[in-house]
Amino acid sequence: AQSVSQHNHHVILSEAASLELGCNYSYGGTVNLFWYVQYPGQHLQLLLKYFSGDPLVKGIKGFEAEFIKSKFSFNLRKPSVQWSDTAEYFCAAQYKGGGNKLTFGTGTQLKVEL
Amino acid sequence: EAGVAQSPRYKIIEKRQSVAFWCNPISGHATLYWYQQILGQGPKLLIQFQNNGVVDDSQLPKDRFSAERLKGVDSTLKIQPAKLEDSAVYLCASSFFTIGSGNTIYFGEGSWLTVV
Repeated sequence: AQSVSQHNHHVILSEAASLELGCNYSYGGTVNLFWYVQYPGQHLQLLLKYFSGDPLVKGIKGFEAEFIKSKFSFNLRKPSVQWSDTAEYFCAAQYKGGGNKLTFGTGTQLKVEL
Repeated sequence: EAGVAQSPRYKIIEKRQSVAFWCNPISGHATLYWYQQILGQGPKLLIQFQNNGVVDDSQLPKDRFSAERLKGVDSTLKIQPAKLEDSAVYLCASSFFTIGSGNTIYFGEGSWLTVV
């Protein structure tokens, strides 16, 4: 079955620290990959997406992610986090032929301390 | 641009009661999704519509859950009778649909259900 794994369930960082959140997806042919963010009390918002081309994709708010096909990974990174980045982050995969639906990971709760 | 609209935002019901959630997708989006997000888990697809037809309802507990999108625009998700384990956030989402390519899916704010 198609699945997405996020290794870190809870991450606590100090402001200005660097962030890397892991995401692995199961093999299933051609896949589109997404990172969504959910700020407290708000809806899921798209951070960035990878469909094809340059494996290093840049998103909003200084986030970026790298697609490594050989590792089935799509890790999210940010060089310097801010307190306002406190949120839950979800990795999701969209498999070709899967009707556009998203398969989500379990999420990573990020807390950034001042 | 207006986003995906959902109502009600919060609902508390007793087990064995029924509840209905409404969703209006982004204008022009042919595909509509209902996801269930249980606390501590990622969203799980319940049902996907393409216009007014069902594309995928393989994870919908059909003995108690039903959904419809009669005119191909807004949609209703119903739970009857509710169980304690149905306590979750019910997310509606929508996207364009182009065969052969992926599409960004946009989410509503969710309807929070607590079953007591």
